[in-house]
Amino acid sequence: SVLLYQKPNRDICQSGTSLKIQCVADSQVVSMFWYQQFQEQSLMLMATANEGSEATYESGFTKDKFPISRPNLTFSTLTVNNARPGDSSIYFCSSSRENTLYFGAGTRLSVL
Amino acid sequence: GEQVEQLPSILRVQEGSSASINCTYENSASNYFPWYKQEPGENPKLIIDIRSNMERKQTQGLIVLLDKKAKRFSLHITDTQPGDSAMYFCAASGTGGYKVVFGSGTRLLVSP
Repeated sequence: SVLLYQKPNRDICQSGTSLKIQCVADSQVVSMFWYQQFQEQSLMLMATANEGSEATYESGFTKDKFPISRPNLTFSTLTVNNARPGDSSIYFCSSSRENTLYFGAGTRLSVL
Repeated sequence: GEQVEQLPSILRVQEGSSASINCTYENSASNYFPWYKQEPGENPKLIIDIRSNMERKQTQGLIVLLDKKAKRFSLHITDTQPGDSAMYFCAASGTGGYKVVFGSGTRLLVSP
């Protein structure tokens, strides 16, 4: 399995500000992903974090709004730029090992 | 890309009875179908999965069925307990757990 440590667990920020979420894996992993989940809804894949190169974004998510870094095989950050109340949700980092997807504990973001 | 439909959105059952959740997928290349349980305030946790070379898998009161021709798979929880109350998500992906796409979720409520 893979253990993923995410921080912060939760945050409150003002509209227009930026927030950075960090994710650390307990071992090197090839694939890291970021998911967004609104309250009581499904998990939406935002992007695949690629080591040493730009992230691959899914439809509806852009690098300007959600820049992602992946400097090595154990670490990734997701930034929420120009946060809006509509960005209030839970953000999960995840990683795949042996065809199984594991999740970090999530970051609950509230934008005022 | 892949799309996964999940029904029902809410499922109420009596303790001791069975609960069934159904999902369909579109991409015939999908070959891995995990099921996740998410409790309030927690991250999703894998409870059972099935690969395309199988039609049925059972573990600890959970049964997963896969019908590749119909592009349909289902989760059956036997002898439900109040502790089974949670959100359940089906998902589908291709090889390596890459780009796992989730269904919309089912809230299971087990009453004593």
